[in-house]
This record gives sequence, C-alpha cells and structure tokens, in this order.
Amino acid sequence: NAGVMQNPRHLVRRRGQEARLRCSPMKGHSHVYWYRQLPEEGLKFMVYLQKENIIDESGMPKERFSAEFPKEGPSILRIQQVVRGDSAAYFCASSPQRDRGRQPQHFGDGTRLSIL
Amino acid sequence: DQQVKQNSPSLSVQEGRISILNCDYTNSMFDYFLWYKKYPAEGPTFLISISSIKDKNEDGRFTVFLNKSAKHLSLHIVPSQPGDSAVYFCAATTTSGTYKYIFGTGTRLKVLA
Repeated sequence: NAGVMQNPRHLVRRRGQEARLRCSPMKGHSHVYWYRQLPEEGLKFMVYLQKENIIDESGMPKERFSAEFPKEGPSILRIQQVVRGDSAAYFCASSPQRDRGRQPQHFGDGTRLSIL
Repeated sequence: DQQVKQNSPSLSVQEGRISILNCDYTNSMFDYFLWYKKYPAEGPTFLISISSIKDKNEDGRFTVFLNKSAKHLSLHIVPSQPGDSAVYFCAATTTSGTYKYIFGTGTRLKVLA
C-alpha cells in the first residue's frame, strides 16, 4: 500500500497511557479517514478530516478519542487513558479533493495497537 | 445495525474455477460500492467499484454485479488463482455525503492449487 504512510506499525501501551497514531496521506490527497478494525470484524468508520477541519466524527467514541489534521504534518489519532478494549488495528485512508465520487480511498497498512 | 453484510465468512475454490463473493446492504441511500482485498498485516487494497447507475463493472478477471432491487452485489473472480487467497471486504457509501465507507465483515477466500 505505497503512498499512505502510517506509523508506528505496532504500538504497545499499558492501561491508562496515551496512544498517538500518525498518518501521512498520499501526495496530493487532502482528505483523511480513520477506521478501526476489531478482531474478526470489518473496518468501522471513526472520523473524516480535511486540513485543519474535522468534517465527520460520527464514528468516534465520545470520550478519550480525538483526531486532528494540521496544516503541516500528518494526521494524528489520539487515544487517552487507553483500555483493553482499544486493542485493534487502526487504518488511515486518504482520497483526493477532486472526483471523490469516482476515486477510491487508499489505505495505509495500519497501526496495530495492543493494550497490556 | 449492520448496514452491509457478508454472510459467508469463508469460501474455498479450486484454482482456475470461478469465485463468487456476495454482499447485501440495507441502506437505499448507498450509491457507490467497492470491493477491497486484504492480506494479513496489510491495509485493504482497492479492487473494483460500481456506481448505482450501473449493474455491472468489469476489470480483467474481476467483475462486480449490482442488483439494486435486491440490494445485493457480488464479486466474480475468473479464473481464480492462489494469489487471490485473502479476505475480501465489500464497502458502500453515499456520494452525496462525506464518502465514509461502511464495510462488511469480510469473506476469507482460499484458492486451492
């Protein structure tokens, strides 16, 4: 999945710590989506951002989760005070501004978050 | 509330034969559908898509069929190859909204050599 870069690929945290997941979209893409995949489930939408704006956060848990996509730098998904149920694979996808209706989202390889 | 369903968790097919993966949806507002393929420890890779104004789209060995009245789509892979062994996700979206994708739970395809 060249293009959308996510880091780290694996992240281990203890309960109560903070997790920061980073996503750099494909060159030329200004739209970023975050999805979460729990074990044996499909991907579930969390949040959609454009540069400096959160457009749709309807899939984000109300507490402890936040996301940003600053003018410069990668998009960040931040999870505060992690709990065991946050263990999952978190995927970032990006799409271009133009022709979004005909251009599929391109996914990164994900960050696998494990909570001890 | 599962708006996109893939009722077959797994499928095994002989190499060279046809693989048919199915997907059902409930939301009539969906107007753009996609299939992604996923290998372990990698992100989903786009395969093929179809707009609701069409009932078929073909790309090489991959064909997607859409039956709007039945709210059903299927992915046909002909001929199937061992490298096609992966988990396949269908996704749906509304192009008048934010283009967020609603995914099914996936079907694990195994192509036997």
